[in-house]
Amino acid sequence: SQQGEEDPQALSIQEGENATMNCSYKTSINNLQWYRQNSGRGLVHLILIRSNEREKHSGRLRVTLDTSKKSSSLLITASRAADTASYFCASWETSGSRLTFGEGTQLTVNP
Amino acid sequence: DTGVSQDPRHKITKRGQNVTFRCDPISEHNRLYWYRQTLGQGPEFLTYFQNEAQLEKSRLLSDRFSAERPKGSFSTLEIQRTEQGDSAMYLCASSLNPGSSYEQYFGPGTRLTVT
Repeated sequence: SQQGEEDPQALSIQEGENATMNCSYKTSINNLQWYRQNSGRGLVHLILIRSNEREKHSGRLRVTLDTSKKSSSLLITASRAADTASYFCASWETSGSRLTFGEGTQLTVNP
Repeated sequence: DTGVSQDPRHKITKRGQNVTFRCDPISEHNRLYWYRQTLGQGPEFLTYFQNEAQLEKSRLLSDRFSAERPKGSFSTLEIQRTEQGDSAMYLCASSLNPGSSYEQYFGPGTRLTVT
């Protein structure tokens, strides 16, 4: 498969807790993005981190990138029931022209 | 609503029939992508257009699949002689030129069921 891997495949937490998802990719990248997908719907872009960045914040989201390990993590702080969704990382190869998606993490936030 | 629309949202067809899906991207976006997504998996790239030119096709895209983007506006994806393995969600996304923005805007998808 050309897709990266995400860990864990499924995560269930209580409202207010933090959720951490990890992603690994295979090639040299220009940037890495995280997307969210509610059940049966299209994907929504959350955040982009460039290869020369190590950490980025957006609201309750924190993304880290370790290019030496070809890995990224997404942290959602103070989770809410409305955060329940699938989360996908997607890498843009340095010499590429498109995104390669991971297999996703299904997050369930229990009220 | 991202501004990208897809039609139809659901399609049920019998094996062997042809189906066509339509995607209307955000008007100023010159890039348009098609993906296929099966249950529990991430989207898999099928093909993309830069304006009206189809620049890359995945090896996943068999000869039964064809895509067009006449005049660089809307796009269609046709599947001929559908097979049960074609059952999936077909997603369309649009974006500006990379270098300007790498973010992709996705439509709601067309769910295809082949019986």
